[in-house]
Amino acid sequence: SAVISQKPSRDICQRGTSLTIQCQVDSQVTMMFWYRQQPGQSLTLIATANQGSEATYESGFVIDKFPISRPNLTFSTLTVSNMSPEDSSIYLCSVETGQVSTDTQYFGPGTRLTVL
Amino acid sequence: GENVEQHPSTLSVQEGDSAVIKCTYSDSASNYFPWYKQELGKRPQLIIDIRSNVGEKKDQRIAVTLNKTAKHFSLHITETQPEDSAVYFCAASNNDMRFGAGTRLTVKP
Repeated sequence: SAVISQKPSRDICQRGTSLTIQCQVDSQVTMMFWYRQQPGQSLTLIATANQGSEATYESGFVIDKFPISRPNLTFSTLTVSNMSPEDSSIYLCSVETGQVSTDTQYFGPGTRLTVL
Repeated sequence: GENVEQHPSTLSVQEGDSAVIKCTYSDSASNYFPWYKQELGKRPQLIIDIRSNVGEKKDQRIAVTLNKTAKHFSLHITETQPEDSAVYFCAASNNDMRFGAGTRLTVKP
C-alpha cells in the first residue's frame, strides 16, 4: 500500500478565511480523491483530483468553494474557501493504487478542521 | 448513482461471539466492495475487500460474502476481541466509491 501524509493534521480557523490542505504520496498514483467526514458521519466524496486537468466534483461541491490542485502524480491540495462553522470536519485524501479502475483505496491520516 | 445502505448502525457483542454487518447497494454495475475499520481519531483502514467475480473471501477471523443477485454483501467477524471495537464502513464502487453510514461495533470483555 502507499504511504500517505497530510498537512496540517489539524487547524482552528476563523470564519471567512481559507485553508489549504496538502496530500503527499510516496509513490506515483493515478487516482487521488478528497473526502469529507463530519463528526460521527460517513465519508462523503468531494472530488476526484485529476492530474493536469480540472478536478471532477460531486454533486453539492463546487470548485469555488473547494479548489483542488494536482500538479503531479504524488501530490494534491484541497482548499476550503471562505470558511464557515459548517465546514468544520475531517478532510481526508485517498489514493487508488494499481492500474485497474476500482482498485483499492487507501486513506491519508486526515486533517481535522475547526471553524470558529 | 450508487446508494449504499448499512445495518445495523450500532452493534454490541460479548467477547468471543460473532458479529455480522450487512450492506445493500443499488447500482448493479458496482463490482468492488471494500470494508474499512475506523478507530476513534484514526484514518479508515482497509480490512478486507471482494470483487464481483467472487462470492466469499476469508482472512483469518474476518470474512465477506457477496450476493450479486440480491445486491447485498456482509462482513462477518468471528471470535470477536475488544480490539475489534471500532466503526466499520462498507463501500461499493463502479469507478466512484460510495460508503455506507457505518456501524459502531462494541465488543464487551
